[in-house]
Amino acid sequence: EAGVAQSPRYKIIEKRQSVAFWCNPISGHATLYWYQQILGQGPKLLIQFQNNGVVDDSQLPKDRFSAERLKGVDSTLKIQPAKLEDSAVYLCASSPNGQPRGDTQYFGPGTRLTVL
Amino acid sequence: AQSVTQPDIHITVSEGASLELRCNYSYGATPYLFWYVQSPGQGLQLLLKYFSGDTLVQGIKGFEAEFKRSQSSFNLRKPSVHWSDAAEYFCAVTGTASKLTFGTGTRLQVTL
Repeated sequence: EAGVAQSPRYKIIEKRQSVAFWCNPISGHATLYWYQQILGQGPKLLIQFQNNGVVDDSQLPKDRFSAERLKGVDSTLKIQPAKLEDSAVYLCASSPNGQPRGDTQYFGPGTRLTVL
Repeated sequence: AQSVTQPDIHITVSEGASLELRCNYSYGATPYLFWYVQSPGQGLQLLLKYFSGDTLVQGIKGFEAEFKRSQSSFNLRKPSVHWSDAAEYFCAVTGTASKLTFGTGTRLQVTL
């Protein structure tokens, strides 16, 4: 079974530029998550999708971050314009159902973003 | 809201020695608790999880964790560490929804 795929793996941009990350979850997984992991910290949930609807985006900086999950499969996370403090690893995860509290989340390798 | 504290930022153990990584949680009801491992350049991999029942949980790669409600702890243990266990370890908790709240992680270094 293929795991969660993410691209690109690395990205370097200047501040105020825009950037987009792509995630392909495990086939059949209904729930998709985007996390931000700043160096030295644990991952922080940015947004959670159940199929193609948003379940939780309370920690997403909506003035600059946006995400979509068209057709309930792939997802894209965008930052526009980027700030220095957005430098982090962006992790995508998926889980089969998402509603049960104990549903296991499977993580992709992440995209490391550096904003100069 | 739930939270997790991992008091040890960095731990060094010798190969073959035992390991215990500490995790304390804060949540008003019965928590769902997880341990994940992250190797360099890799995503997070689930080691084990606790929902209910037996408070001693067995996981992959020879790891186990014990839930102690009285101490609000969920410490991770391994009897004999291998050099390949060097990685960052994260404790996490979910509350009423499936949202994971992670601790800040403990970096494990293994000396030969």
